Amino acid sequence: AQTVTQSQPEMSVQEAETVTLSCTYDTSENNYYLFWYKQPPSRQMILVIRQEAYKQQNATENRFSVNFQKAAKSFSLKISDSQLGDTAMYFCAFMSFNTNFGNEKLTFGTGTRLTIIP
Amino acid sequence: DTEVTQTPKHLVMGMTNKKSLKCEQHMGHRAMYWYKQKAKKPPELMFVYSYEKLSINESVPSRFSPECPNSSLLNLHLHALQPEDSALYLCASSQVRGRSGQPQHFGDGTRLSIL
Repeated sequence: AQTVTQSQPEMSVQEAETVTLSCTYDTSENNYYLFWYKQPPSRQMILVIRQEAYKQQNATENRFSVNFQKAAKSFSLKISDSQLGDTAMYFCAFMSFNTNFGNEKLTFGTGTRLTIIP
Repeated sequence: DTEVTQTPKHLVMGMTNKKSLKCEQHMGHRAMYWYKQKAKKPPELMFVYSYEKLSINESVPSRFSPECPNSSLLNLHLHALQPEDSALYLCASSQVRGRSGQPQHFGDGTRLSIL
């Protein structure tokens, strides 16, 4: 079974600064996908970024980028020029596959609560 | 605005009541999911439907009964719940394209409280 570990329960950073959230995972699979989701107090889980394990290039989405180290099984999220709206719980997630089913199953880490300070 | 709509947003029910949670999406997704999320915890998968058929049941107690009447709608029927079932219930949907890592799109959730 896959496990996802987020070792930082809480973080805070000044507005406009850069912050990095860490995530490690354990799997024996070679082909998989990794995600970061954010969940603000409004409750909705929002996709931040997606990484394909067979691609060495790190994914980026505007101010969000990842540092994907496949050999180390590490998948950190960097938020540049942080904004007040980035305040949320951030979950790292691993996608595994059900061979009897054409779709996938997400396993979430325990989350990091990020607060952006004005 | 979320593309996955969940109703109601809040629900309070007694342990002997029967109620249903509803989830709807119009993105043409053929996979739909129910998650349970306790406070300050990550979501935990409960059920997965693919092409309106139940594909995964994560050993959920029978007091939770899912239903997928069509490709756009997912229900969760509740009966004889326990206080520990109080949680946020999230619905999600995704495309089905083999092992292509399609992201799941989540609704705002239903906050359920059992008295």
